[in-house]
Amino acid sequence: AQKVTQAQTEISVVEKEDVTLDCVYETRDTTYYLFWYKQPPSGELVFLIRRNSFDEQNEISGRYSWNFQKSTSSFNFTITASQVVDSAVYFCALSYTGANSKLTFGKGITLSVRP
Amino acid sequence: GAVVSQHPSWVICKSGTSVKIECRSLDFQATTMFWYRQFPKQSLMLMATSNEGSKATYEQGVEKDKFLINHASLTLSTLTVTSAHPEDSSFYICSARPFESQEGLTDTQYFGPGTRLTVL
Repeated sequence: AQKVTQAQTEISVVEKEDVTLDCVYETRDTTYYLFWYKQPPSGELVFLIRRNSFDEQNEISGRYSWNFQKSTSSFNFTITASQVVDSAVYFCALSYTGANSKLTFGKGITLSVRP
Repeated sequence: GAVVSQHPSWVICKSGTSVKIECRSLDFQATTMFWYRQFPKQSLMLMATSNEGSKATYEQGVEKDKFLINHASLTLSTLTVTSAHPEDSSFYICSARPFESQEGLTDTQYFGPGTRLTVL
């Protein structure tokens, strides 16, 4: 069985602060994918990143960075110099590889960035 | 690329009526489409997985006669909520997974904007 835990439920920061969103997962598979999605107030889920279980390199994309550590089964997401537009619910998710693979979502973290 | 649309974006209906929600992948073909339901301030709950030309696979606890899914083509899937009742009011989201590796697309689920259903 797969499980994704996002222990933080709500985070509030002031603009320009850095913020890290935690994600811990459980799976028995050796090959899997990890994801982060953003859901702004409009409701649409926006794909941010997919990481293959074999690739433990950290990734940076602009103000976003991801830290994948297999040893601790964590895939944390950091937003540097946060902005008001970053306010959203962020979901971490896990899936097996394969065409019909389902996404197992965490409960989501509500991030509020205050001006 | 990777745009998924849903129609309608919101719908209000009377109890007992049926409502159809369309999910389209606009610029790619989808091997598989997924339907989710999301309650306020909660995570997404997978309802069913559908492949073009075959019957949908429903998650445990989801009534297949209540939530009819038709996946008519590689770009269109529909969800029909039959004889809707107030407890069916929710935010319904579909996603589509690209048919094959396409330039610029990651092999992942791309989500539609969602449909808010309110049953009176």
